[in-house]
Amino acid sequence: DQQVKQNSPSLSVQEGRISILNCDYTNSMFDYFLWYKKYPAEGPTFLISISSIKDKNEDGRFTVFLNKSAKHLSLHIVPSQPGDSAVYFCAASAYGNQFYFGTGTSLTVIP
Amino acid sequence: DAGVIQSPRHEVTEMGQEVTLRCKPISGHDYLFWYRQTMMRGLELLIYFNNNVPIDDSGMPEDRFSAKMPNASFSTLKIQPSEPRDSAVYFCASSSRGRGMRLFFGSGTQLSVL
Repeated sequence: DQQVKQNSPSLSVQEGRISILNCDYTNSMFDYFLWYKKYPAEGPTFLISISSIKDKNEDGRFTVFLNKSAKHLSLHIVPSQPGDSAVYFCAASAYGNQFYFGTGTSLTVIP
Repeated sequence: DAGVIQSPRHEVTEMGQEVTLRCKPISGHDYLFWYRQTMMRGLELLIYFNNNVPIDDSGMPEDRFSAKMPNASFSTLKIQPSEPRDSAVYFCASSSRGRGMRLFFGSGTQLSVL
């Protein structure tokens, strides 16, 4: 059973606007969350992370929000750029052992 | 740092044949993970090692799949016999707790079983 879910397979956004990618999880033991970005024919690369002791982490145009009570996290990209077009994976871990990934959301930023 | 190195990049084989995927983790990393990417399940964890020892192989689909890590710089994932439903992209990743518990992925092996 999927412990990490990304219910939107795809998302299209105009350049310059905000992209919001969502992720839900079921395991309340997860204490560390990450977002990865994947281009075609490449491996996923780390984008941003957040610990469960925080509810927000920001890195340039990327911000991750964590709502522990709702078991929900989101990635905001502002402003979106064409180079952001990729598949984004949400991942979660408990105590830094196994990393569970979602099914990914394909983001297309339209110039 | 060369990153995680996987070989081959592409593998096309016929049903029933043995397939071996290879991975060289980043030097100094003590965790190694094998993932499989499919449309239905996303990145699915197959097995992971810590200090060359398999810790959890519950994600391995069935006995046709096996993985080894004979030393800190090399791991293999073997499928014998292969079946068309094994067609997917297989990723190897490594990590070290000293690096903020983040996984570093290789470029993957695209496996096609005909």
